[in-house]
Amino acid sequence: QQKVQQSPESLTVSEGAMASLNCTFSDRSSDNFRWYRQHSGKGLEVLVSIFSDGEKEEGSFTAHLNRASLHVFLHIREPQPSDSALYLCAVIYNTNTGKLTFGDGTVLTVKP
Amino acid sequence: EAGVTQSPRYAVLQEGQAVSFWCDPISGHDTLYWYQQPRDQGPQLLVYFRDEAVIDNSQLPSDRFSAVRPKGTNSTLKIQSAKQGDTATYLCASSFRYEQYFGPGTRLTVL
Repeated sequence: QQKVQQSPESLTVSEGAMASLNCTFSDRSSDNFRWYRQHSGKGLEVLVSIFSDGEKEEGSFTAHLNRASLHVFLHIREPQPSDSALYLCAVIYNTNTGKLTFGDGTVLTVKP
Repeated sequence: EAGVTQSPRYAVLQEGQAVSFWCDPISGHDTLYWYQQPRDQGPQLLVYFRDEAVIDNSQLPSDRFSAVRPKGTNSTLKIQSAKQGDTATYLCASSFRYEQYFGPGTRLTVL
């Protein structure tokens, strides 16, 4: 069974300081990787989607994929208190199915 | 364009009661997913449809959970005889091709 693990479980940063979140997966042949944000009581908002090794930037969010080490990172540049939320990593192991396998998330708190 | 809508937003019931959740996907999306998200965990796929056909329901507790999408548009997820362990947020998502769009979820508490 495919596994997705995220670390840390929770992270507190000061406003404007870079936040870095880690996600590890179990299958190097996975097709696609996504980072979502979930504010309390809300649905999931996709932040960035990446399928090639390297970096992809979407606004203040940068995903970094390294299949060899089975890691995908999310870096948040100059986070604001409004970025406080649950951040979820998701892996699509087979694009034909489109099925997402999620990690349990990192709770990010940004202090003013 | 309207997003994915779900109702009700909240439900509280006693063990043994039944409950239904309703999802209206984005117009034109052929694929619909139901996820269960326990507190402090990531979403876990329960079942997904392409049009009206069930593609994968292997994670659906079949003895108490059922899901239908009779006309390939709206969908209903039903729990018969709810248990405390069913306490979670139930998310619906729809897609056309790859990107899934999520609704706000239904937060279920079973006392």
